[in-house]
Amino acid sequence: AQSVTQLGSHVSVSEGALVLLRCNYSSSVPPYLFWYVQYPNQGLQLLLKYTSAATLVKGINGFEAEFKKSETSFHLTKPSAHMSDAAEYFCAVTLGNQFYFGTGTSLTVIP
Amino acid sequence: NAGVMQNPRHLVRRRGQEARLRCSPMKGHSHVYWYRQLPEEGLKFMVYLQKENIIDESGMPKERFSAEFPKEGPSILRIQQVVRGDSAAYFCASSPPGGLEYTDTQYFGPGTRLTVL
Repeated sequence: AQSVTQLGSHVSVSEGALVLLRCNYSSSVPPYLFWYVQYPNQGLQLLLKYTSAATLVKGINGFEAEFKKSETSFHLTKPSAHMSDAAEYFCAVTLGNQFYFGTGTSLTVIP
Repeated sequence: NAGVMQNPRHLVRRRGQEARLRCSPMKGHSHVYWYRQLPEEGLKFMVYLQKENIIDESGMPKERFSAEFPKEGPSILRIQQVVRGDSAAYFCASSPPGGLEYTDTQYFGPGTRLTVL
C-alpha cells in the first residue's frame, strides 16, 4: 500500500530563511512523487514531480526536492523564503490507480 | 489555454437536497479525477473517469454519490440527499490522454466549496 506522511502541519520561517517541508512515503515499489501548492481559495498547483529520473528535482518558484530511497523521503526545500511562499503544501505519491495526498503543511513566512 | 474550470465555486444546500458539481477539463484532456478535501485534511481521491467511462470509483462513498463524464459537456459529481458531513471542498483535476494513467501530472481546478446547512 502507498501512503504519505507530512511531518509538521504548520511551519513558520522568517523571510529569507531556508524552507524545509518534510515528506515521507511508504511504497512497496518505486513511487512517483509530487509536491503541490495551494493558495487560499484556489486549487492545487504542481510545484515539481519525481518520476525515477534525477533524484534532485527542481520545480517552479525556486523550490526543489530530493528523492532519498534509503530514507523513503522527498523533502521540499527552498534556500530563501519569500512572503509569496505562504501557502499550503501537499506531498503526494502515486502508483497504480490512485493519488495519495498527505495532510498538508501550512507555511507561514514572517517578515 | 483555459485551465480546469469548476462551477459553482460555492454551493449552499440544505440537508436532503441534491448538489451538482461541474468540472470542465483543460482543452485536450480526457481524464478527469474528483477529490474531496475535508477541513484540516488532505485531498482524498474519489473517482477517475474518462469520456463515458468510470475507470476507478474506489474512493466514492457507496451511497448518494455518483459521477459521470459524458461524451459532450462537463463532468458532473452528484450528491443526493446531502448531509452536513458532505460539507467540504471538492476538487476536479484533469490530465491529457496518452500519458501514464494515475502518474501523469494532474491539473487542478479551483474547487467547489459545498456547505450543507
